[in-house]
Amino acid sequence: SYVLTQPPSVSVAPGKTARITCGGNNVGGKSVHWYQQKPGQAPVLVIYYDNVRPSGIPERFSGSNSGNTATLTISRVEAGDEADYYCQVWDSSGDHVIFGGGTKLSVL
Amino acid sequence: QLRLQESGPGLVKPSETLSLTCTVSGGSISSSSYYWGWIRQPPGKGLDWIGSIYYSGNTYYNPSLKSRVTMSVDTSKNQFSLRLSSVTAADTALYFCARQLVNVVVPTVSDYWGQGTLVTVSS
Repeated sequence: SYVLTQPPSVSVAPGKTARITCGGNNVGGKSVHWYQQKPGQAPVLVIYYDNVRPSGIPERFSGSNSGNTATLTISRVEAGDEADYYCQVWDSSGDHVIFGGGTKLSVL
Repeated sequence: QLRLQESGPGLVKPSETLSLTCTVSGGSISSSSYYWGWIRQPPGKGLDWIGSIYYSGNTYYNPSLKSRVTMSVDTSKNQFSLRLSSVTAADTALYFCARQLVNVVVPTVSDYWGQGTLVTVSS
């Protein structure tokens, strides 16, 4: 079964850049989607199809995907960006949705 | 504005069947552009996809849950439903319903989510 690996936690100072990785075998050949989840809330889509921002998501959020690693980049991090972030793909070999384990972003 | 709302019992006994319904408003569940999915999140843990259903009734299920999951759709009520049989404490989770964009013929990204409903499995 396909596995997506995320670091459990990432810490960043306000105003700096946070990079959250999502590793998987040839994940660059798949479309990766990213969700932000704050405590007590439903996930919110922040990046889809590797690097597309939904309406209403700040330009500070961007994505890339190549080789075995997809990356969510958050520029000029704000306190309000503190949340759990999940990557997700569709695994065509098994015909199912796969989520990464999630990364807790802490803003110092 | 699209809205999804989960409903169903918050407490289910072990070995019984969990049943949830998601009511969609502000859009049609019969659109050819979307699948409709269920995702759950055990307390303090990550997201776990349960399955997805198309308005025609076509389904995809998580292989680890496939033997216990049944999803259905009622286009007349703009609702879709989840049944999970033989539940145990491990099925205690926050259950979300979501709209999923179709890419070619499969569900991909979940762009709208319900607020979630907590289901506890306990006697």
